[in-house]
Amino acid sequence: SQQGEEDPQALSIQEGENATMNCSYKTSINNLQWYRQNSGRGLVHLILIRSNEREKHSGRLRVTLDTSKKSSSLLITASRAADTASYFCATLSNDMRFGAGTRLTVKP
Amino acid sequence: DAGVIQSPRHEVTEMGQEVTLRCKPISGHDYLFWYRQTMMRGLELLIYFNNNVPIDDSGMPEDRFSAKMPNASFSTLKIQPSEPRDSAVYFCASKKTVNEQFFGPGTRLTVL
Repeated sequence: SQQGEEDPQALSIQEGENATMNCSYKTSINNLQWYRQNSGRGLVHLILIRSNEREKHSGRLRVTLDTSKKSSSLLITASRAADTASYFCATLSNDMRFGAGTRLTVKP
Repeated sequence: DAGVIQSPRHEVTEMGQEVTLRCKPISGHDYLFWYRQTMMRGLELLIYFNNNVPIDDSGMPEDRFSAKMPNASFSTLKIQPSEPRDSAVYFCASKKTVNEQFFGPGTRLTVL
């Protein structure tokens, strides 16, 4: 299975600061995606980056992918209290398995 | 589209009772997944189906757990008999081939 592993496990920042989360994986991929989970709810898809892309933007989100290092990062700029959630990465494969996620807390 | 639908949203039952969780995937999706999430173990993949056929059930904890997908629009996850350690949030998700997954709202199961 292709499971992503996120770090740090927990991140606490002030509103307005940037938050960076990292993801590492072990096998070759075609795509990688990031999800967000608000407390008690299902995961919501945020952004997908393909293996031939190095960087992708969506609003305040910026994702990078380094296939040589088998790693990806998710940057949330100008964070808001509403960004408080857990963030997961997953490599696109049939058996979608997730890592432990990064728990982000944005303090107002 | 209404998204992935799960029922019930909350279930409280006593140890030893049978529990059945239900899921309706998004129409046209050919993959369906069952996950369990707890604080201790995080988000665990229990089983997934492709075109109604179970592909990998290696995540099913033990024989007390069983899952079926009788048709493309319905799946069940059954626990019999239930135990307190089965208490968790159970998520169903669906996707179309190699695309993003869509999660249901989850069923919060409490076994007393």
